[in-house]
Amino acid sequence: QVQLQESGPGLVKPSETLSLTCTVSGVSISNFYWSWIRQPPGKGLEWIGYIYYSGSPNYNPSLRSRVTISIDTSKNQFSLKVSSVTTADTAVYYCARGGLAPTAYWGQGTLVTVSS
Amino acid sequence: QSVLTQPPSVSGAPGQRVTISCTGNSSNIGAAYDVHWYQQLPGTAPKLLIYGNTNRPSGVPDRFSGSRSGTSASLAITGLQAEDEADYYCQSYDSSLSGLFGGGTKLTVL
Repeated sequence: QVQLQESGPGLVKPSETLSLTCTVSGVSISNFYWSWIRQPPGKGLEWIGYIYYSGSPNYNPSLRSRVTISIDTSKNQFSLKVSSVTTADTAVYYCARGGLAPTAYWGQGTLVTVSS
Repeated sequence: QSVLTQPPSVSGAPGQRVTISCTGNSSNIGAAYDVHWYQQLPGTAPKLLIYGNTNRPSGVPDRFSGSRSGTSASLAITGLQAEDEADYYCQSYDSSLSGLFGGGTKLTVL
């Protein structure tokens, strides 16, 4: 079955770069779109962006200047980088299968805290 | 502030029917882009509840239904049960193909 697992540091200092990886199992990453979504503590979901293995990523306009999503088909992984983080970037970060299509497969989420 | 507007909270007694609205504009829902709905239980990832405005994934009870009209969409839950208490989110996209989520609605079963 399709499984997604986020990994990366749980604590990042302000002004540094947040880096997360999503490892996909049960399906080839080349066949679908893949997304990152985040949720600040106690708040709603925020779409970050999505990528297809052969196309350009599409980002939330409010985050575009700081976000990079990339894909590594050889490892069946895709990644997220958010630069110049502030405390407002503290959130649970989810990776998910799908771009604009409905997202039936989600990772369990990983909490990233921005703090000095 | 989310582009898609949902009521912060709704409530209902067991067995009752509740609806959750999701209001957009002519650049998203009004442009006939699909709306999807998710249910999120505390501490868990969202679960797809309705896709393509009206369709239920396998395993989702028929107590849950979705609709779309004009610049809005709605999620209806009939025969409310205690286990339905959760946060609900609508999702769509806009003409720039950017994803959009509603602000979320907390459903309380009285």
